[in-house]
Amino acid sequence: GQNIDQPTEMTATEGAIVQINCTYQTSGFNGLFWYQQHAGEAPTFLSYNVLDGLEEKGRFSSFLSRSKGYSYLLLKELQMKDSASYLCAVRLVSGGYNKLIFGAGTRLAVHP
Amino acid sequence: SQTIHQWPATLVQPVGSPLSLECTVEGTSNPNLYWYRQAAGRGLQLLFYSVGIGQISSEVPQNLSASRPQDRQFILSSKKLLLSDSGFYLCAWRKREGLYGYTFGSGTRLTVV
Repeated sequence: GQNIDQPTEMTATEGAIVQINCTYQTSGFNGLFWYQQHAGEAPTFLSYNVLDGLEEKGRFSSFLSRSKGYSYLLLKELQMKDSASYLCAVRLVSGGYNKLIFGAGTRLAVHP
Repeated sequence: SQTIHQWPATLVQPVGSPLSLECTVEGTSNPNLYWYRQAAGRGLQLLFYSVGIGQISSEVPQNLSASRPQDRQFILSSKKLLLSDSGFYLCAWRKREGLYGYTFGSGTRLTVV
């Protein structure tokens, strides 16, 4: 079966750096996504990795190691508005079709 | 630009009543379309996906069904709702070709009472 694991909750201080880890065991891997979801809202796209290495986009960076089935999302210079759930998702190719499977999400609380 | 519309935003339905949620995409053609459900405090569960008109793949056996009567329209239905159908329903789309991400609609919060 497909399995995606990430911590349930994390807390961090405003201005600090936080790393959210994600491990996955899947078949037909074709990329890993990170989404941000504020309470009661739809997820919004943050980053995408298909090759090993680090992708940087402003205050957010995402890393992927396909051989280890591991990714992390790094958030720098944390702001209060970064308090949200962060969803790790793996795109799978099955029967020629793409589908996105999500982990349960990590709820991040940023405090002053 | 492409947009995705989902309605209604909230819905309260009695147990045993029917359900119809609609999702439409504008500004693109031949999109892949998806229905997800998110239970309170949980991750997103893929329910259905569609790669074309009339083509529906179901991910989990359940009380729900999906249809795609037009290229950019995706409908989620139920004949008789259960309490366990409560949740946040999200429609998403992506371009069929290439390595594109998924864009989500604003969601429908369904409460079955």
